[in-house]
Amino acid sequence: DIQMTQSPSTLSASVGDRVTITCRASQSISSWLAWYQQKPGKAPKLLIYKASSLESGVPSRFSGSGSGTEFTLTISSLQPDDFATYYCQQYNSFTWTFGQGTKVEIK
Amino acid sequence: QITLKESGPTLVKPTQTLTLTCTFSGFSLSTSGVGVGWIRQPPGKALEWLALIYWDDDKRYSPSLKSRLTITKDTSKNQVVLTMTNMDPVDTATYYCAHRSLVGAMDYWGQGTLVTVSS
Repeated sequence: DIQMTQSPSTLSASVGDRVTITCRASQSISSWLAWYQQKPGKAPKLLIYKASSLESGVPSRFSGSGSGTEFTLTISSLQPDDFATYYCQQYNSFTWTFGQGTKVEIK
Repeated sequence: QITLKESGPTLVKPTQTLTLTCTFSGFSLSTSGVGVGWIRQPPGKALEWLALIYWDDDKRYSPSLKSRLTITKDTSKNQVVLTMTNMDPVDTATYYCAHRSLVGAMDYWGQGTLVTVSS
C-alpha cells in the first residue's frame, strides 16, 4: 500500500502569511495527487488535482507543486476563510490513500 | 449540476451489516472514466478511503477492509451501494460518497451520514 505522510500536523499562522504544507508518498505516484480542504462538519472540498492543477472556482492563492514522492500545497496569503484542515490524497495506484491531515489554526 | 446524497441507518449494532446508499444526479455512471467512491471519517480523525466503483464495474477496495466491503452500482437508479459486514464500534464515522472525475480526483461530495455502532 502507498502511505501518505503530511507535515506539519498542525500549523499556526496569521492572516496574510504564506503557508506551505508538505505531503510525502511512500513510493512514486507520478503527479496523481489531490489536495482537499475540510471545515468542521462539512464535506471535503477539492482544491488541487494532478498535483498542480487548480480546481475550477478555487482562489488563485492556492497552488500545488511536486511529483514523484514529494508534494506541497501553498497558500500565498492566508485569508480568514482558509483556516481549516487540509488533506492530500494519492490516486496513482489501484487503491487510494489520504494523508493524516494538516490543521491550519489562527496564530 | 452534480449532487450526491448518502442514506442508511444512523445506528447499527456490533456484528451487524451496514448498508449505505449513495443516490446521485447530474452524471451517469455509464460514462467512460466516471466513478463513485466511499470515504469515511471517524469523529475528530482523518479521512479514510474505503472503496470505488468505475463506470465499467471495475471495483477497488481498501486493503485493510477488503474482506468486509462490497460496492455495487445500479446505473438505472443512479445509485451506488456500499455494504460493510461485522460492524464494530471503531467503525463509528461519517460516511461520504463522492464523484470521481475524469481527471481522477473526487470533485463532488455528498454531505455525509453519521453512522454510530453501539449496542
